[in-house]
Amino acid sequence: DAGVTQSPTHLIKTRGQQVTLRCSPKSGHDTVSWYQQALGQGPQFIFQYYEEEERQRGNFPDRFSGHQFPNYSSELNVNALLLGDSALYLCASSLGGYGLEAFFGQGTRLTVV
Amino acid sequence: AQKVTQAQTEISVVEKEDVTLDCVYETRDTTYYLFWYKQPPSGELVFLIRRNSFDEQNEISGRYSWNFQKSTSSFNFTITASQVVDSAVYFCALSRGSSNTGKLIFGQGTTLQVKP
Repeated sequence: DAGVTQSPTHLIKTRGQQVTLRCSPKSGHDTVSWYQQALGQGPQFIFQYYEEEERQRGNFPDRFSGHQFPNYSSELNVNALLLGDSALYLCASSLGGYGLEAFFGQGTRLTVV
Repeated sequence: AQKVTQAQTEISVVEKEDVTLDCVYETRDTTYYLFWYKQPPSGELVFLIRRNSFDEQNEISGRYSWNFQKSTSSFNFTITASQVVDSAVYFCALSRGSSNTGKLIFGQGTTLQVKP
């Protein structure tokens, strides 16, 4: 039974570019949440997708957008990258629009240069 | 507003010592959930425990134990007889219970180094 998988594992982008990160939830899970973790900090909630809709959003600008597909996988898109967007991006999956049994992936390490 | 504070940034102990990681939270909700996660160098957050606000019973799981005290808004985590494999960053987190969307609010984390 595969857990939460994220791709790619590492990514280097140039300031101003756009990036797409991908997440496949744990088998049987239908809810995906995205978190940004800057170096030495705790993860910060970006948004959550359930039933292909953004259900809740954290304090992130509109440059951060997402999508959930019918198979429950999800993408996180970041436009106009800033140096400050460099972080570990974590995906968490859960069931039924709730997050009490959230399983996390290993994350995508994004470096903006 | 909701907030989680982990005042200990780094803790270093020698193997077999007991160690307690502190967590203090702030919330106006009457229903909420508290969590502890472990983050090894690989980056994945590993779930350790979840408690709801109505259950103040302490819990023990092997070498791990948790002390939840609503009176002091604390949810501390103790590792007994620490091992090198316990070295990691540990996060305490809070989730609102009423809306139950599962948005987790994390503390800054405590880096635990267990030396042989």
